[in-house]
Amino acid sequence: RKEVEQDPGPFNVPEGATVAFNCTYSNSASQSFFWYRQDCRKEPKLLMSVYSSGNEDGRFTAQLNRASQYISLLIRDSKLSDSATYLCVVNRARKTSYDKVIFGPGTSLSVIP
Amino acid sequence: DAGITQSPRHKVTETGTPVTLRCHQTENHRYMYWYRQDPGHGLRLIHYSYGVKDTDKGEVSDGYSVSRSKTEDFLLTLESATSSQTSVYFCAIGTAQGVNTGELFFGEGSRLTVL
Repeated sequence: RKEVEQDPGPFNVPEGATVAFNCTYSNSASQSFFWYRQDCRKEPKLLMSVYSSGNEDGRFTAQLNRASQYISLLIRDSKLSDSATYLCVVNRARKTSYDKVIFGPGTSLSVIP
Repeated sequence: DAGITQSPRHKVTETGTPVTLRCHQTENHRYMYWYRQDPGHGLRLIHYSYGVKDTDKGEVSDGYSVSRSKTEDFLLTLESATSSQTSVYFCAIGTAQGVNTGELFFGEGSRLTVL
C-alpha cells in the first residue's frame, strides 16, 4: 500500500461546478499536510497548507481528518484555469531526517467550458 | 520565482552512458532535493542535501549519485543510464522552516530519455 493515496481521476467537470478530491495517508504520526498544484509539463507549486481546523483560500477549502487519516480539497465555482493535477503531500514524522515529504500520485482535473 | 534552474532541460541518451543533471539555485538555501516523477508513482525522492558535502539517500537512490561542492549547485549523476531511468527529474529547494513544514520550491524539470 502506498503511503499517500489519491484517486487519479481524471475528474471532468463543467465550469462553475464544485469538485472535491480526497487523499488518504497511512502513517498516523504524520504532522503536516499540503496540496500542491501541477500544470501539464510544469513543476509542482504549493497551493495551500492543510490545518487541523480546516482552512479556506478563496474558492479552495482544505480539510484534515486525523482520525480517518484523510485530507480533502474542495474547489468551488471551478474555472478553466483550475485544470491541473493536484498533489496531496504529507510530511511524515521521522526522528532525524530531512526526507520527510511524501507526495501522492496526484488527481487530474479538467474543467470543461 | 524561486531562482532554481535545471540543466539540461531535455536529454536523450543511450543505455550505459553516464549522465549528469545540474540544479543551480540563487537563493542560498541549505536544503536541496532531487526527485523523479513517473506516471502512477508521483514524485519520489532520489537524494537530498542539507548542506555542502552533506548528502543522503532517498527512497529510490539505486543507480544515482549526487554531489554538492557549493551551496548553489546540486548535481545528480547516473553512472550508467538504464531505460528504467527514463523519467522527469525535478530539483527542489527548501528553507530551514520549509523542511519542517513541507514547502518546497521546484525547478522546471529535466526530461531524460534513455534508449
